[in-house]
Amino acid sequence: DVKVTQSSRYLVKRTGEKVFLECVQDMDHENMFWYRQDPGLGLRLIYFSYDVKMKEKGDIPEGYSVSREKKERFSLILESASTNQTSMYLCASSPLARDSYEQYFGPGTRLTVT
Amino acid sequence: GQNIDQPTEMTATEGAIVQINCTYQTSGFNGLFWYQQHAGEAPTFLSYNVLDGLEEKGRFSSFLSRSKGYSYLLLKELQMKDSASYLCASPTTDSWGKLQFGAGTQVVVTP
Repeated sequence: DVKVTQSSRYLVKRTGEKVFLECVQDMDHENMFWYRQDPGLGLRLIYFSYDVKMKEKGDIPEGYSVSREKKERFSLILESASTNQTSMYLCASSPLARDSYEQYFGPGTRLTVT
Repeated sequence: GQNIDQPTEMTATEGAIVQINCTYQTSGFNGLFWYQQHAGEAPTFLSYNVLDGLEEKGRFSSFLSRSKGYSYLLLKELQMKDSASYLCASPTTDSWGKLQFGAGTQVVVTP
């Protein structure tokens, strides 16, 4: 079974704090993704990575950065958290195969910025 | 990228059938996914259609018409546990591995 884990299920941070969200997958997948999910807006892609040290911006990268130092780990960083970053954050992974697009999701981190 | 459209919410009674429609842009099409997401949980894979037609998996079926840019997810013999959000998604045309998601359809099953 593919397993994607995220470091926290719930997180409360203050405005201006630096926040790290960690994601680990155990299936040797090349691709990893960070999404945020807000009511009525669905899943929106923040960043993705197709290899170690490689990253590409998604649809809403502003205010976020990422790090992929090891294949199994993809970190999302909020340099200075703001209240509009209160959201559910979902990590996903998938293999790098042309006809294999299925993504496997972690349980999510519900982040509240006060 | 793809524009994915699906209804916001649908309500049905236990034992009934519900059909969730999804429309998408047809250019560069590479298949259509359906995911189920219970409140506060991760999305889980339900189906992936690449070719036209109906694919059945137990109580759930998914249909695709590539020429019409249209898919639906059919939930039969509804159970209370089917109350969830159902996400339609399609691979984007600009990069391997990325999916464009619809906003999700919240299905509410009532007794």
